[in-house]
Amino acid sequence: DAKTTQPNSMESNEEEPVHLPCNHSTISGTDYIHWYRQLPSQGPEYVIHGLTSNVNNRMASLAIAEDRKSSTLILHRATLRDAAVYYCILRDYDGGSQGNLIFGKGTKLSVKP
Amino acid sequence: NAGVMQNPRHLVRRRGQEARLRCSPVKGHSHVYWYRQLPEEGLKFMVYLQKENIIDESGMPKERFSAEFPKEGPSILRIQQVVRGDSAAYFCASSPGIQANYGYTFGSGTRLTVV
Repeated sequence: DAKTTQPNSMESNEEEPVHLPCNHSTISGTDYIHWYRQLPSQGPEYVIHGLTSNVNNRMASLAIAEDRKSSTLILHRATLRDAAVYYCILRDYDGGSQGNLIFGKGTKLSVKP
Repeated sequence: NAGVMQNPRHLVRRRGQEARLRCSPVKGHSHVYWYRQLPEEGLKFMVYLQKENIIDESGMPKERFSAEFPKEGPSILRIQQVVRGDSAAYFCASSPGIQANYGYTFGSGTRLTVV
């Protein structure tokens, strides 16, 4: 799997939007961009994924750069429950790879009341 | 629709004992993955299994660790002769397929403490 680069930590205020960046300059054409988060003392939780187009779901939005070398996870209104480590992961299945999710260090998001 | 069920949630073992961690995937998911998270560290891939087959065990320690996913019943991660360094949270995940547009569903984990 190609590598991703994320800031180690970010802070946000409650009720404000949060933009979590991820760089993946070596992304291949078949890599999907996945985001997971891990709340304290819990297992990881799927957030969103996309390939080329921006994606929205009930949890977040994913904005993907036109060249796909970066993406941004957008939490529209941060709550205290959004405090977690957010992981940006590239997942590929090209027929020869198992495409396992490989977790990096992620971004630790703190939300202030 | 139950998610991934892991049990026990907490497991305490003395050094030298065996630890058995169980994982029931989401109904209909035939792909199971095990991860380990040491204290204050990230998630490390251990093994990927399909029913009755180990597909990728590149992250498994060579000794004392084994995994299975039988035709019937949960997936089992077995650690023989546990040592203090095995103390960690072990997470299981499942997916309906290996295509890159499928996500994983994770369980709540088993926290193993070796005393």
